[in-house]
Amino acid sequence: EAQVTQNPRYLITVTGKKLTVTCSQNMNHEYMSWYRQDPGLGLRQIYYSMNVEVTDKGDVPEGYKVSRKEKRNFPLILESPSPNQTSLYFCASSLEGRDGYTFGSGTRLTVV
Amino acid sequence: GQQLNQSPQSMFIQEGEDVSMNCTSSSIFNTWLWYKQDPGEGPVLLIALYKAGELTSNGRLTAQFGITRKDSFLNISASIPSDVGIYFCAGPYMRFGAGTRLTVKP
Repeated sequence: EAQVTQNPRYLITVTGKKLTVTCSQNMNHEYMSWYRQDPGLGLRQIYYSMNVEVTDKGDVPEGYKVSRKEKRNFPLILESPSPNQTSLYFCASSLEGRDGYTFGSGTRLTVV
Repeated sequence: GQQLNQSPQSMFIQEGEDVSMNCTSSSIFNTWLWYKQDPGEGPVLLIALYKAGELTSNGRLTAQFGITRKDSFLNISASIPSDVGIYFCAGPYMRFGAGTRLTVKP
């Protein structure tokens, strides 16, 4: 089944403890992107990747890192999480960046 | 970077009414996409538009790619309770508008 898999679905962590949210797609898509969703603020893009080793900042990149070492994986790294990064995170992929995007199921992160 | 402005922010309508929402961009687009998000789920693609002036329907949903290439519209006819959710527009490079939250009263 064609899908985007995010893990974990739920995560509670403490301030400053490094964490990684994984994202993997099995559709050979070129484009991948990370978003955070907060009430009333829609889907804000964190980082975006057009291909392996090609990444670009979105609207809210501060406090986040990404890597795209292989086409299928696009992990989101929080080196030192803070409470203002408590949010619902989505990963998505797209074949060409202008066709339909396939979303993962989301990761609800709480930083205390 | 490009900015997407989506309006209205929220709508409260009666079942059976028609709904209209729109998005404008600060730059010319070659793609407009419309998504719906149900509570607790990821957004799902409703309609994709690729040409200025294009009008595309998906059941009771109709979307149009504006002639100026800087705007797009989504209309929902004869709304039903399951239309409840957040509707997003999206442009190239996987950027999204802030969403329109739709509530339908039975």
